[in-house]
Amino acid sequence: DAGVIQSPRHEVTEMGQEVTLRCKPISGHNSLFWYRQTMMRGLELLIYFNNNVPIDDSGMPEDRFSAKMPNASFSTLKIQPSEPRDSAVYFCASSLSQGQPQHFGDGTRLSIL
Amino acid sequence: AQSVAQPEDQVNVAEGNPLTVKCTYSVSGNPYLFWYVQYPNRGLQFLLKYITGDNLVKGSYGFEAEFNKSQTSFHLKKPSALVSDSALYFCAVSHTGTASKLTFGTGTRLQVTL
Repeated sequence: DAGVIQSPRHEVTEMGQEVTLRCKPISGHNSLFWYRQTMMRGLELLIYFNNNVPIDDSGMPEDRFSAKMPNASFSTLKIQPSEPRDSAVYFCASSLSQGQPQHFGDGTRLSIL
Repeated sequence: AQSVAQPEDQVNVAEGNPLTVKCTYSVSGNPYLFWYVQYPNRGLQFLLKYITGDNLVKGSYGFEAEFNKSQTSFHLKKPSALVSDSALYFCAVSHTGTASKLTFGTGTRLQVTL
């Protein structure tokens, strides 16, 4: 079975540019999560969706960050404009339903110069 | 509020010896507890969970964890460590009111040597 698919795996861009990260959850999973991992702050939940509806975006750091889930098989996390402190590994995860284990993609390593 | 503490940044163990990775939690209500493992340049992989039932939970790759309500702990254990178990281990918690919203610990690096 295909797991959670994230693209791109690596992204290097200059500050001020728009960055779009993409995620395809596991088919049939109803919940989708975006996380950010850094050495300093560990693993942080940014936002999560249930049935394509954003439930909790309290972890989104600033208005520069936005996330959408137009359908059950696709989600994006956008940063505009990007800043060097946004450099991190961004993970997408999905789960079958609330309280069930989350399945993670292999992440997007983002470097903002 | 919910929180998780992993008091050890790193645990070192010789192959063949038992290993324990510690986790304590704080939640209001009944906890949902999880262990995940992360290998380099990969996403987190689910190992096991406790929702309700037996306090001893068995998971993937021979790992198990014991839920202790009085000590608010959920330590990860394995009877005999392998070099291939070397990785970063995360404990996570949520509760019945926020079942989807996991709070992760800071992670414990397990190093298994020959």
